[in-house]
Amino acid sequence: KNEVEQSPQNLTAQEGEFITINCSYSVGISALHWLQQHPGGGIVSLFMLSSGKKKHGRLIATINIQEKHSSLHITASHPRDSAVYICAVIFPGGSQGNLIFGKGTKLSVKP
Amino acid sequence: EPEVTQTPSHQVTQMGQEVILRCVPISNHLYFYWYRQILGQKVEFLVSFYNNEISEKSEIFDDQFSVERPDGSNFTLKIRSTKLEDSAMYFCASRGELRAFFGQGTRLTVV
Repeated sequence: KNEVEQSPQNLTAQEGEFITINCSYSVGISALHWLQQHPGGGIVSLFMLSSGKKKHGRLIATINIQEKHSSLHITASHPRDSAVYICAVIFPGGSQGNLIFGKGTKLSVKP
Repeated sequence: EPEVTQTPSHQVTQMGQEVILRCVPISNHLYFYWYRQILGQKVEFLVSFYNNEISEKSEIFDDQFSVERPDGSNFTLKIRSTKLEDSAMYFCASRGELRAFFGQGTRLTVV
């Protein structure tokens, strides 16, 4: 069965800390998304990647195809980064929109 | 930044009633999607739409569901006869070359 696992499930950090959220999946994928879900429920797409590394501001996403693993890093974390971070993948045979979602990592950054 | 707009933000309906959830995707996007998230659970894929037809749908997307792009700008999800278990947050998304853009969601409550 195609699964997406995220860890940790919950994460509390102090402002300024470096944060890593992990995502692993069961079989080879076409692409992987990192999404941010705010307390109100809205979803923002952060990255879409299929290899290597992408950076946007304080956010960095990496993917290791051989190990079937991706990480999302947040440098110099801030309370406004508090949200649920979701990994979602496209498994082979699926269309670009047929995302399989992880359960999410709830991040809370304390001032 | 471009936005995907969903209306209404919250809808309460009686069981058995029809509901139409509306989405205005980003204007030059060609691929459109609906997802749902039952409270406390993972986001789930419902349907992909391209070139005025469904390109892929999940097992959840049964005969009670339909999608339409009636006027070239709106993208709608219709649930014909709502059940209690249809209560969820419904997200619309459209995809550009580099990433997907999600709407803020419609919270559907079936009573």
